[in-house]
Amino acid sequence: EDKVVQSPLSLVVHEGDTVTLNCSYEVTNFRSLLWYKQEKKAPTFLFMLTSSGIEKKSGRLSSILDKKELFSILNITATQTGDSAVYLCAVENNAGNMLTFGGGTRLMVKP
Amino acid sequence: DVKVTQSSRYLVKRTGEKVFLECVQDMDHENMFWYRQDPGLGLRLIYFSYDVKMKEKGDIPEGYSVSREKKERFSLILESASTNQTSMYLCASSLRSSGSRREQYFGPGTRLTVT
Repeated sequence: EDKVVQSPLSLVVHEGDTVTLNCSYEVTNFRSLLWYKQEKKAPTFLFMLTSSGIEKKSGRLSSILDKKELFSILNITATQTGDSAVYLCAVENNAGNMLTFGGGTRLMVKP
Repeated sequence: DVKVTQSSRYLVKRTGEKVFLECVQDMDHENMFWYRQDPGLGLRLIYFSYDVKMKEKGDIPEGYSVSREKKERFSLILESASTNQTSMYLCASSLRSSGSRREQYFGPGTRLTVT
């Protein structure tokens, strides 16, 4: 059974801090790992990672995948209150775009 | 922009009622998915569909059925709602693609309460 574990479960930081969110996985036919941000509505797509060691970057967010150790991290630098959300990690298998999600990390950024 | 819409944001139903949750996407995506989201459990896949009239069970299909009569529309049906089906239901769609643009796009969710 595919499994995705995120840590920490929740995190409270102050504006300007840097945070690192973790995602480890066990999946039989790995295809990609995805990160989503969920505020009070639909999860919105952040990154898709398929290759080890290649950093994906979008503004203050970046992510990297380690396929040997089976984990990924999501970094957010210079956090802002608008970064407050639940961050979801999901692993895609080869069986037609199916995703297995982790439980999420709830990030709260205080002013 | 991809748009995935769900018929209701909030729904309250009684135990034993038949419940229909509708999802529509406007980007001609082949794949559509239904998840439920519960605190501490993340998103769990209920059913998905690769094409019209096709459906596959996900991780937790018990108590649910689905219908996909048109490519843009995917319905989730609770034949006889129970209190343990109180949850947030999220619909998603994606391209059936081997390329990079195959991420799932999500609707805003329907918060269903069964009393």
